[in-house]
Amino acid sequence: QKEVEQNSGPLSVPEGAIASLNCTYSDRGSQSFFWYRQYSGKSPELIMFIYSNGDKEDGRFTAQLNKASQYVSLLIRDSQPSDSATYLCAVAERDSNYQLIWGAGTKLIIKP
Amino acid sequence: GAVVSQHPSRVICKSGTSVKIECRSLDFQATTMFWYRQFPKQSLMLMATSNEGSKATYEQGVEKDKFLINHASLTLSTLTVTSAHPEDSSFYICSTGGLAGPKTQYFGPGTRLLVL
Repeated sequence: QKEVEQNSGPLSVPEGAIASLNCTYSDRGSQSFFWYRQYSGKSPELIMFIYSNGDKEDGRFTAQLNKASQYVSLLIRDSQPSDSATYLCAVAERDSNYQLIWGAGTKLIIKP
Repeated sequence: GAVVSQHPSRVICKSGTSVKIECRSLDFQATTMFWYRQFPKQSLMLMATSNEGSKATYEQGVEKDKFLINHASLTLSTLTVTSAHPEDSSFYICSTGGLAGPKTQYFGPGTRLLVL
């Protein structure tokens, strides 16, 4: 059974601090890794994807991938109250036809 | 990315009726679309994978005769909840593939179904 694990939280972070969200996956054949944000009552929206080991930065967001340890993380710098949401980690296998294996999500709360 | 629309955004129906939800890929020809269901405070659950021109692939435990999926064109997939019951009340979300880097899913805004 291929699995993606996330701490459900809630993770509480003060405004302006760095929020660190983590995700581990079980299948070493996984090729692409995605972070989605879901606000309450809304559908998920893509934040970032990463498929090479190392860091990938996009504005205040940094995705980190370590295939040897089978984890992927998302850092949010200068956290804002508007970042409060559930963050979903998803993993695609090699040659998958867009199908993703989803984590259950981590609820992030940014406290003003 | 890809722009995905869903219609209706919200529907209330009586128990026993059927409800059709449309999912459109507005700027991308999608050979594959996905249908998810999400109950309050729970994670996304993949219901089925919709393939253009062929039968949908359903996840274990999802009744194909109850949740009818039609993917007749590269831009439209429909999900029909037949003989809906209150336990079918949920947030139904479709997604489709996009062109941003690796194969990426982009989500529609979702349809909230309430069965009375």
